[in-house]
Amino acid sequence: EAQVTQNPRYLITVTGKKLTVTCSQNMNHEYMSWYRQDPGLGLRQIYYSMNVEVTDKGDVPEGYKVSRKEKRNFPLILESPSPNQTSLYFCASSLSVGNTIYFGEGSWLTVV
Amino acid sequence: DQQVKQNSPSLSVQEGRISILNCDYTNSMFDYFLWYKKYPAEGPTFLISISSIKDKNEDGRFTVFLNKSAKHLSLHIVPSQPGDSAVYFCAASVGSYGQNFVFGPGTRLSVLP
Repeated sequence: EAQVTQNPRYLITVTGKKLTVTCSQNMNHEYMSWYRQDPGLGLRQIYYSMNVEVTDKGDVPEGYKVSRKEKRNFPLILESPSPNQTSLYFCASSLSVGNTIYFGEGSWLTVV
Repeated sequence: DQQVKQNSPSLSVQEGRISILNCDYTNSMFDYFLWYKKYPAEGPTFLISISSIKDKNEDGRFTVFLNKSAKHLSLHIVPSQPGDSAVYFCAASVGSYGQNFVFGPGTRLSVLP
């Protein structure tokens, strides 16, 4: 089954404690991206990757890092989480740029 | 300033009637538009898309209309069903390679039985 898998789905962490949200897709997609969803703001892109070792900033990259060492994985790293990063995060992938995006189920992150 | 706007946070429609969800955008460079549906506790799922070379695209009960001069698109659902109750996001692609998708804030549709 074609899917985008994120982990963890739910996490409560403390300010400053580094965390990684993993994302994996099994569709051999080139393009992957991370979004955060906040009330009244919709989905905002954090980072995207057009292929292995190619990443670029989206609209709200501050406080986040990503890496794309393999085609299937695109982890989101919060080096020093802060409460304003409390949000619902979605990983997404598509065959290539401009194609339909497939989303993971979301990761609820709370930073206290 | 939001480049993609969905000015109605919520919409309620009677089952069997038409649902019309609206989306406005400000960036005239957008050339590809999509609608996504999102149920609670799930990721958004693709619904329908339209490119700027067309003004209408239809898929079953779902039709998207694009008015480029007005920078406006709308999603029509006919007939509406209770299972259509969800949050609907409008999205537009930006950039020379369409690598970014900008999403609107979403409209929560409630279809009443």
